[in-house]
Amino acid sequence: DTGVSQNPRHKITKRGQNVTFRCDPISEHNRLYWYRQTLGQGPEFLTYFQNEAQLEKSRLLSDRFSAERPKGSFSTLEIQRTEQGDSAMYLCASSTRQVDTDTQYFGPGTRLTVL
Amino acid sequence: AQSVTQLDSQVPVFEEAPVELRCNYSSSVSVYLFWYVQYPNQGLQLLLKYLSGSTLVKGINGFEAEFNKSQTSFHLRKPSVHISDTAEYFCAVSVYNTDKLIFGTGTRLQVFP
Repeated sequence: DTGVSQNPRHKITKRGQNVTFRCDPISEHNRLYWYRQTLGQGPEFLTYFQNEAQLEKSRLLSDRFSAERPKGSFSTLEIQRTEQGDSAMYLCASSTRQVDTDTQYFGPGTRLTVL
Repeated sequence: AQSVTQLDSQVPVFEEAPVELRCNYSSSVSVYLFWYVQYPNQGLQLLLKYLSGSTLVKGINGFEAEFNKSQTSFHLRKPSVHISDTAEYFCAVSVYNTDKLIFGTGTRLQVFP
């Protein structure tokens, strides 16, 4: 399978714990995005990388959130001291910056439940 | 700032009937437009996109959309729906050179036999 993969698919944690999610993009894609989707809403942009550089962060991304993309390959999203409001689906997408492409391919998401 | 409005949160329709899912956007600069579909427990899948050129865009699964700049709309249509089209549909915009997608709140299409 050559699509975007995300692990784990589901995560249940207690309030105050730290969690880390992983995203593996399509191999030739140099751009990687993180979005958050809550129930009944569309995905909301969190941050994105071009290769290993983090180019933009949303104001939604509080200081408890950190994302990395070492070596410009896979990415991790860590949430420290989780809160119940962090419960959501976390989506990863990747794209390749070419003329007339600009299509983001999404992974299946990681569903986080904070008890 | 850009925004996307999907006017209908739910659209019920019988199988083989036509359907239109409405999308309006707001932007002071040129944007790219997208429709994504999300089946239960799955990620988002691109249906179609408008980057430039012909305002009528054809996508997968028999869907099409028309970009109307004067009305700032990008409505999605299908002449005859199937039960398998039951899903959540999201309209999105991105500003040229940013690639960040801004999504609407989604429209749940439910097709009944």
